[in-house]
Amino acid sequence: TQLLEQSPQFLSIQEGENLTVYCNSSSVFSSLQWYRQEPGEGPVLLVTVVTGGEVKKLKRLTFQFGDARKDSSLHITAAQPGDTGLYLCRAGNNRKLIWGLGTSLAVNP
Amino acid sequence: DVKVTQSSRYLVKRTGEKVFLECVQDMDHENMFWYRQDPGLGLRLIYFSYDVKMKEKGDIPEGYSVSREKKERFSLILESASTNQTSMYLCASSLLGAGNTIYFGEGSWLTVV
Repeated sequence: TQLLEQSPQFLSIQEGENLTVYCNSSSVFSSLQWYRQEPGEGPVLLVTVVTGGEVKKLKRLTFQFGDARKDSSLHITAAQPGDTGLYLCRAGNNRKLIWGLGTSLAVNP
Repeated sequence: DVKVTQSSRYLVKRTGEKVFLECVQDMDHENMFWYRQDPGLGLRLIYFSYDVKMKEKGDIPEGYSVSREKKERFSLILESASTNQTSMYLCASSLLGAGNTIYFGEGSWLTVV
């Protein structure tokens, strides 16, 4: 069974701090995506990574796909209250898609 | 703009009632999905459909059925609602292919009493 493990499960930080969350697996994936879900809403895509070692930046968010395409990280610089939400990773091969359980982030003003 | 619309945001139903959750997408996507989301359990796939009248079971199909008579519409049916089906239900759609973006609706909060 393919699993995606996300860590930490919960994170509560102060505005301005930096943080990194992880999405790990023992399986190799053709692509991996990160989504953010705000309270009471559906998840929204942040980024897709497909190449081992790939780094993508989205304003203060930096995403990295592991060289072996088994894991990924999301780094947020100078977190703001608007970053609060559930961060989910999703990976797949062909039609089989799996989701991590998510990291719940709270950024306090 | 891409849109997935779920018919009901909040529902309260009685045990044993038949419940219909409707979902419409305006992007001509082949794939449509129904998930439920519960604290600590993440997103769990109930059913998905990759074409009209086609459906495949996900990880937790028991107690649910689906219908896809038109490409844009995917319905989730709870034949006889039970309290353990109290949850947030999310509909989603995407183009065919594992790496494509999944677009979600806002979710339907179902409480079964």
